Amino acid sequence: EPEVTQTPSHQVTQMGQEVILRCVPISNHLYFYWYRQILGQKVEFLVSFYNNEISEKSEIFDDQFSVERPDGSNFTLKIRSTKLEDSAMYFCASIPTSGIADTQYFGPGTRLTVL
Amino acid sequence: AQTVTQSQPEMSVQEAETVTLSCTYDTSESDYYLFWYKQPPSRQMILVIRQEAYKQQNATENRFSVNFQKAAKSFSLKISDSQLGDAAMYFCAYRGYYNTDKLIFGTGTRLQVFP
Repeated sequence: EPEVTQTPSHQVTQMGQEVILRCVPISNHLYFYWYRQILGQKVEFLVSFYNNEISEKSEIFDDQFSVERPDGSNFTLKIRSTKLEDSAMYFCASIPTSGIADTQYFGPGTRLTVL
Repeated sequence: AQTVTQSQPEMSVQEAETVTLSCTYDTSESDYYLFWYKQPPSRQMILVIRQEAYKQQNATENRFSVNFQKAAKSFSLKISDSQLGDAAMYFCAYRGYYNTDKLIFGTGTRLQVFP
């Protein structure tokens, strides 16, 4: 069964550095999402992306964050200048269509540690 | 704004027994979707079951079933014949029907299963 994949599984970075988290959604999916989960807290929506545009974003998704689909397969989340509070698990998700409650398929996550 | 509340941070159950996890939500919308996701120690979010609010019939998936009470805004998950592999964090999530497809998660319930 096709799966959403994410790389790396764990990223350690210094505060102020840029990081790029990568996701490969399921191949026929059209809608993409990033969520984050700070340790011990609930999963929070960051951004949704369709047709090469952001369709919705949360207050967390400020100017330090950006998303891109640079080719037909990858979907990336960039944090320009990481802060300590960006340490979290970041999950990518995708669905094939919108308008109905298609299941959001989640990747295994990337643990980001900011030192 | 919509909110999802899971009031049980931890639950435990004996193998083969039945356990019910609670979830309440707040919304002014009449059409929406509700989900239960499982997050095992591997951290990947896996869909357990989903419910469309316009359907009166409670969703079931094998050993998993829900008790959806729309007027009470309650969406509990019942796990029958619990298995050791059911041990995980369980998240309740809400998705609006119109203009958005982001998921709003509760804080989760950690389920332990004892042999």
